[in-house]
Amino acid sequence: QSALTQPRSVSGSPGQSVTISCTGTSSDVGGYNYVSWYQQHPGKAPKLMIYDVSKRPSGVPDRFSGSKSGNTASLTISGLQAEDEADYYCCSYAGSYTVGYVFGTGTKVTVL
Amino acid sequence: QVQLVQSGAEVKKPGSSVKVSCKASGGTFSSYAISWVRQAPGQGLEWMGRIIPILGIANYAQKFQGRVTITADKSTSTAYMELSSLRSEDTAVYYCARAVAAAAPFDYWGQGTLVTVSS
Repeated sequence: QSALTQPRSVSGSPGQSVTISCTGTSSDVGGYNYVSWYQQHPGKAPKLMIYDVSKRPSGVPDRFSGSKSGNTASLTISGLQAEDEADYYCCSYAGSYTVGYVFGTGTKVTVL
Repeated sequence: QVQLVQSGAEVKKPGSSVKVSCKASGGTFSSYAISWVRQAPGQGLEWMGRIIPILGIANYAQKFQGRVTITADKSTSTAYMELSSLRSEDTAVYYCARAVAAAAPFDYWGQGTLVTVSS
């Protein structure tokens, strides 16, 4: 199972919007509505930001939104803030047993 | 409040094994799944496998089949990940993470355990 493909980096000024893509296959992203997104600050554990493609856990700002079309999922951060600067990983359920979950390659978001 | 607390950093020789623990508090340990995810220095996240304690069933990513064993002790609400035949490429931070169901996201994470493999 190959990692999902994300851009290496994206950047934006405070207040702007950025979108991170996450491309997989029909065996993972395209096959299940179980895409999640994680934010990771340096030296910290990942934090769940979006699950089931577009749902936000309690406490996550509504500036974060998710969507999916075909084999590609996307995370959009609107109204970019300094604290949003972090690495972001998508993750898709890809079936049980020896596949389980597959993560994306990760995207560094820089707030200019 | 759910908390996952992992054991401390380890330094191991190539060819040896390491066993990392993950103690859960809050929630109902047996009924959810605990996955192990690793992150090599400067690299991305990689799912290794998981266990559902109430079923006692573990499944592993194909890449780690035969080298990783994930177990759980319901009496102490602790999950374990043992990785054998260590090589330098296994140097990474190892995280445990909780999912409430089979395809659910990872809503709680341990703090991570650094495993360094060096001769």
